[in-house]
Amino acid sequence: NAGVTQTPKFHILKTGQSMTLQCAQDMNHGYMSWYRQDPGMGLRLIYYSAAAGTTDKEVPNGYNVSRLNTEDFPLRLVSAAPSQTSVYLCASSYRDQAPYEQYFGPGTRLTVT
Amino acid sequence: AQSVSQHNHHVILSEAASLELGCNYSYGGTVNLFWYVQYPGQHLQLLLKYFSGDPLVKGIKGFEAEFIKSKFSFNLRKPSVQWSDTAEYFCAVNARGGSGNTGKLIFGQGTTLQVKP
Repeated sequence: NAGVTQTPKFHILKTGQSMTLQCAQDMNHGYMSWYRQDPGMGLRLIYYSAAAGTTDKEVPNGYNVSRLNTEDFPLRLVSAAPSQTSVYLCASSYRDQAPYEQYFGPGTRLTVT
Repeated sequence: AQSVSQHNHHVILSEAASLELGCNYSYGGTVNLFWYVQYPGQHLQLLLKYFSGDPLVKGIKGFEAEFIKSKFSFNLRKPSVQWSDTAEYFCAVNARGGSGNTGKLIFGQGTTLQVKP
């Protein structure tokens, strides 16, 4: 199994541009999440999906997701702002197996100039 | 709102010293608790977890943690650290939903551990 994969690894974006961060998992996990990781702030949940076809937004605006199937959970930055400079981590976990420990991808380091 | 607090933001130890990193969470009831570790340049990975049963849990690489319900704490310990333990450590708890614990995790701020050889 490849586990959780993310692309790209690094990207520089200009303010106002949009882009999609890709995330895929091959473990048939039901739960998938996006976090952002900033120094001194830990990880903060951005979006969450309990199953294909469902998503929950955890932070206001600036991001969008889709969960069309079990494997993929892309995160879209609609109109990038410098405040969205961060490391973005995608994670997945089994839906029917507590305690729902999460498996993380390698992350995408995004800089918005 | 649920929260997780890690008391130490940056810890510097010499090899063979003992380690204890503090973690407190904000609510009672049934909890699932985790410690994750991120070694330089690597993925975040699970160090250990508490789900139920024995409150003293053992993880990889000689780490252990003790769940103390009355103190809302889940402190991480290691009797003798090595240079290779240099990493960032995160405590986390499942977020609560309407029907119990969810697949969402709430993380603490993280503790950077630097071990001097």
